[in-house]
Amino acid sequence: AQSVTQLGSHVSVSEGALVLLRCNYSSSVPPYLFWYVQYPNQGLQLLLKYTTGATLVKGINGFEAEFKKSETSFHLTKPSAHMSDAAEYFCAVSTGTYKYIFGTGTRLKVLA
Amino acid sequence: DAGVIQSPRHEVTEMGQEVTLRCKPISGHDYLFWYRQTMMRGLELLIYFNNNVPIDDSGMPEDRFSAKMPNASFSTLKIQPSEPRDSAVYFCASSFDSTGELFFGEGSRLTVL
Repeated sequence: AQSVTQLGSHVSVSEGALVLLRCNYSSSVPPYLFWYVQYPNQGLQLLLKYTTGATLVKGINGFEAEFKKSETSFHLTKPSAHMSDAAEYFCAVSTGTYKYIFGTGTRLKVLA
Repeated sequence: DAGVIQSPRHEVTEMGQEVTLRCKPISGHDYLFWYRQTMMRGLELLIYFNNNVPIDDSGMPEDRFSAKMPNASFSTLKIQPSEPRDSAVYFCASSFDSTGELFFGEGSRLTVL
């Protein structure tokens, strides 16, 4: 069975500070891992994904994530937060069977 | 491409009424998903289709919920009769490749009074 745990339902950072959103997963087979972002009153948009290959994945808007198999983690980072990054972020795991398991989400607040 | 299109964006109805939510996936996408999002339960997969055929409906909460996909460009999610606990945002998403990136619509916010 698969599962996803996002640590921290709310994270606040100052503008220009490092963003770190944590995601740990459980999967019995090699996983596909995703980060999605949801802005208010909108659907989810893909930020980045890991399927195979390079473990450091770069996404849109300056975000990146590193797949660490030994730690079963896929944390999302951005070196410098911008006000426009304020949103809710979801980590998701799939085994390629289209049955996604989404985390409970982390709401990012960026302080001026 | 216009993206995944959902209607209505907002629906307010009274308990016991029938509700129909609609979705137009992105052209060429073979997979269509219906999700429900609530504060308490987060994002839940209700059902998904491949080439218009329902593949997994194990997430449909009960018989009051039904979903159809009569053709590649249209799907409906129906709740009959509706109950206050059905209040949520319902998302439709489509996908086209084996790595499974999902493209979401903007959602239909349902309020059942």
